[in-house]
Order: sequence, then C-alpha cells, then structure tokens
Amino acid sequence: EAQVTQNPRYLITVTGKKLTVTCSQNMNHEYMSWYRQDPGLGLRQIYYSMNVEVTDKGDVPEGYKVSRKEKRNFPLILESPSPNQTSLYFCASSSMWAAIYSPLHFGNGTRLTVT
Amino acid sequence: GQQLNQNPQSMFIQEGEDVSMNCTSSSIFNTWLWYKQDPGEGPVLLIALYKAGELTSNGRLTAQFGITRKDSFLNISASIPSDVGIYFCAGHDSNYQLIWGAGTKLIIKP
Repeated sequence: EAQVTQNPRYLITVTGKKLTVTCSQNMNHEYMSWYRQDPGLGLRQIYYSMNVEVTDKGDVPEGYKVSRKEKRNFPLILESPSPNQTSLYFCASSSMWAAIYSPLHFGNGTRLTVT
Repeated sequence: GQQLNQNPQSMFIQEGEDVSMNCTSSSIFNTWLWYKQDPGEGPVLLIALYKAGELTSNGRLTAQFGITRKDSFLNISASIPSDVGIYFCAGHDSNYQLIWGAGTKLIIKP
C-alpha cells in the first residue's frame, strides 16, 4: 500500500532534549516536505526536499533541521526543542515528474508536546 | 509566508444540509486544490482544479476554479456525519509555489 509513515505518533519531551521524527515513503517520490499545523494557522511548511541531498527552507524553518540521505527517508530534527514547537507535524511526499499534477500524500501526523 | 483567505473558519451544520466554503487570493493562481483532514489523520486530496472556470465533482462534492483565477469554492451536498473534519484549500501561485488556506472546520450538530 502506498503510504507515508511517520514515527512516533505522539511525543512528549522537555525543553532542550534533542529529538528526531522519522518519515518514510514507499512511492519513490522525489519531493518530500515537513509541515506543522497549529489552530487557526493551517499548514505551514518547515522544510522541503526536491531530491536526495537537496533540501531547502520553507516558511518556518527556525529551530528545525532535516536531512535527505536516501530517497525514501526525510527525518525532522529538533536539536533543542522549545515549548513554541509544541504542534502537530506532518510529513508529505509527491512526484516531481508530475509536478503540479501530483497530489501531496501526507502521513498521519506526529503530535509533539514540549514542556 | 503567503496564505490564502479561507472562509468560514468553522461551520456547525445539521445532517442533510448543504455546505459551502471558499478561498480567495489577492493574486492569480495556476491551480486550486481542496484537501480534507479527518480527525487523527493527514490531509487527503479531494479535488484538483487546473483551468479557470473549471467545475469538477467528486460524489457529493463540487468545486470550481474562479474565472478571475483568484478564488475557488467547495460545495458539499446533503452532508453526512463522515463529512466532519477540516477542509483545506491550497493552490499553486504564479511562481508555482504551493500556498495553503487556514482551513474550514466542519462540525455536524447532533
């Protein structure tokens, strides 16, 4: 089954403790992206990647890092989490070849709480 | 970053009612997309629109790409309980950057 898998689904951590949220897709998609969802603000893009070893900042990249060493994986790293990074995070992927005609496929989300 | 103006923010409706929501932009868009997010899940694409004036249906859902290329609407006819969730509009702007609306939360009154 074609899917985007994020782990963990829920995470509670303390300020300053480094964490990684994993994302993996099995559709051979070139494009992958991370979003955060906050009430009233919708989806805001954190980082995106157009292919292996190619990453770029989205609208809200501060406090986050990403890497794209393999096509299928796109982990989101919070080196020193702060309470304002408490949010619902989504990973998404799509085919670059189909460009605007390729829909984004989203994972089921990771709810992060930083205390 | 830029965000689309999506209205309403939330809707309380009775089962069986028709629903209408819209999205507007100050600049022209090349595509309009409508996604739905069920509780506890990620958004899923419902309808994609690629030409000004295009009207597309998906079951009880109908969406249109506005003639001015600056707006789009989504209608849901005869709502049922599984229609609850958050509906997002999105679109590719003139630079083909994907821009999102803040979402419309649909709640069905018991």
